[in-house]
Amino acid sequence: DAGVIQSPRHEVTEMGQEVTLRCKPISGHNSLFWYRQTMMRGLELLIYFNNNVPIDDSGMPEDRFSAKMPNASFSTLKIQPSEPRDSAVYFCASRGQEFSTDTQYFGPGTRLTVL
Amino acid sequence: RKEVEQDPGPFNVPEGATVAFNCTYSNSASQSFFWYRQDCRKEPKLLMSVYSSGNEDGRFTAQLNRASQYISLLIRDSKLSDSATYLCVVIVYNQGGKLIFGQGTELSVKP
Repeated sequence: DAGVIQSPRHEVTEMGQEVTLRCKPISGHNSLFWYRQTMMRGLELLIYFNNNVPIDDSGMPEDRFSAKMPNASFSTLKIQPSEPRDSAVYFCASRGQEFSTDTQYFGPGTRLTVL
Repeated sequence: RKEVEQDPGPFNVPEGATVAFNCTYSNSASQSFFWYRQDCRKEPKLLMSVYSSGNEDGRFTAQLNRASQYISLLIRDSKLSDSATYLCVVIVYNQGGKLIFGQGTELSVKP
């Protein structure tokens, strides 16, 4: 079975450019999470969706960040305009049941470098 | 104060050693607990759930103390392949069921 799929795996861009990260959750999972990981701050939850609806976006750092989930099999995280401090690994994860103890399965991550 | 706190390490131990990691959480409404493992430049993966009665999976033992809001992970007879970062994770259902991750504890097992 395919796991969580993320693209691109690596992205290098210049400050001010728009960046779009993509995620395909595991089929049948109805919760999707976006995380950011840096050495300084560790793993931070940015936003998560249940049944395609954003539930908690309190972790989104600022208005430059936006996330969408137009259907159950696809989500995007967009940064516009990007800044060097956005450089991090961005993980997408999915989970099978709302408010359950089912574990999250992470994608391989997108390593973003903003120059 | 962070919601989930861990000693960041690194813990440097020889092969065969026993090593223990601790984790404390601040929200008494926390209801589910896990240990995840993350290898360098890889995604986190579930290592084991943590149950109130304690649980064991081979060389790994997890314990939960709700009164003290404390979770532990014990690794016996450590292997080189155990070298990784170990993340303590808590689910708080009154926060929408989201997972809250600790900063992770780095383990390096040496020959």
